[in-house]
Amino acid sequence: QQPVQSPQAVILREGEDAVINCSSSKALYSVHWYRQKHGEAPVFLMILLKGGEQKGHEKISASFNEKKQQSSLYLTASQLSYSGTYFCGTESGSQGNLIFGKGTKLSVKP
Amino acid sequence: NAGVMQNPRHLVRRRGQEARLRCSPMKGHSHVYWYRQLPEEGLKFMVYLQKENIIDESGMPKERFSAEFPKEGPSILRIQQVVRGDSAAYFCASSPFGTVSGGTEAFFGQGTRLTVV
Repeated sequence: QQPVQSPQAVILREGEDAVINCSSSKALYSVHWYRQKHGEAPVFLMILLKGGEQKGHEKISASFNEKKQQSSLYLTASQLSYSGTYFCGTESGSQGNLIFGKGTKLSVKP
Repeated sequence: NAGVMQNPRHLVRRRGQEARLRCSPMKGHSHVYWYRQLPEEGLKFMVYLQKENIIDESGMPKERFSAEFPKEGPSILRIQQVVRGDSAAYFCASSPFGTVSGGTEAFFGQGTRLTVV
């Protein structure tokens, strides 16, 4: 079952913050966040496994709610290099399959 | 330590021909995932394989598409009798374990861009 990402697109000025959400109708085993730049492969950002977990990666962090049905990716003091499409990938079954949302396109302007 | 290698990077086929896309996972990785991406769209899951086994092929079209991951050699995604609608970027990813069992990340290859003319 495909997770739902919101918003579909965000335009920021350098230094502004953004939040990208990823939700599912049922509890998830894990949430994986990736960023893809145009014409390139998706690049791994982080995985969240436990309900209530929060994890950080420089100025990019993420949380996983207690019910394990929603995750949010936080980008603070955005930089030009943050531009790209962000995907959340979720596992909801026992097979280890990784299903991605439709992505959120982030554009950071000078 | 080479990453996930996909070849060819670009493939042009005429309608009706066969396309073979190869994916060599990272060393030590025995799990491979194939995804299809249309321009400006998301990553659509196609198939998940372990060595010599198809674990989940729920995203594969019922006809013309097949995938394998033999004991030796790369994983192959095969598209027979290609049509214009098959034009897309095809990405594979690999992980050392199934992602659910260890919470491990999946590493992506650079993709194969298939163009059907």
